[in-house]
Amino acid sequence: NAGVTQTPKFQVLKTGQSMTLQCAQDMNHNSMYWYRQDPGMGLRLIYYSASEGTTDKGEVPNGYNVSRLNKREFSLRLESAAPSQTSVYFCASSARQANNSPLHFGNGTRLTVT
Amino acid sequence: AQSVTQPDIHITVSEGASLELRCNYSYGATPYLFWYVQSPGQGLQLLLKYFSGDTLVQGIKGFEAEFKRSQSSFNLRKPSVHWSDAAEYFCAVGAQQAGTALIFGKGTTLSVSS
Repeated sequence: NAGVTQTPKFQVLKTGQSMTLQCAQDMNHNSMYWYRQDPGMGLRLIYYSASEGTTDKGEVPNGYNVSRLNKREFSLRLESAAPSQTSVYFCASSARQANNSPLHFGNGTRLTVT
Repeated sequence: AQSVTQPDIHITVSEGASLELRCNYSYGATPYLFWYVQSPGQGLQLLLKYFSGDTLVQGIKGFEAEFKRSQSSFNLRKPSVHWSDAAEYFCAVGAQQAGTALIFGKGTTLSVSS
């Protein structure tokens, strides 16, 4: 059982380049999330999708876009990467969009923007 | 709005010694409370959760946590630490109302000395 799968694991971009981070879950979860993790900052929510067909901004959405492609897949796009977006990105899913529904995390994508 | 504080950035414990990691939250009502663990290069894994009822909750890997309403705390404990417990630990708080997101603390890094 794979759980939450993220690709790629590592990526280096130049300032201004674009890329899409992919996330897929096989737990039939309704809700999916994108977080970024920076040293000393904990995890901050970028965007989430409460259910297929809906997306909402989180705490730090600027510079990002998301697509809930279907129930399984939720992608994060950086249209014009900036050094401030150097971070580790985590995708997570939960059975429903409620705070008593525990999150299941992928192993992360480490992104460096030069 | 809710908030969560983990006062200790880094803790070192001898193998076999007991462990307590602190978590304090701010919220007007009883929140949903979680502890997650992150091993190097991995995503976050749920250790335990508290929603209601018995204030002492048991989790995986021999961890437990106690909810103390009077102190707005949810401290994580383990009676005897193993070298494999070295990781980063995150406390998270969620409000009960719909449409709100889980808030993560900034994490405590645990080192285990032999």
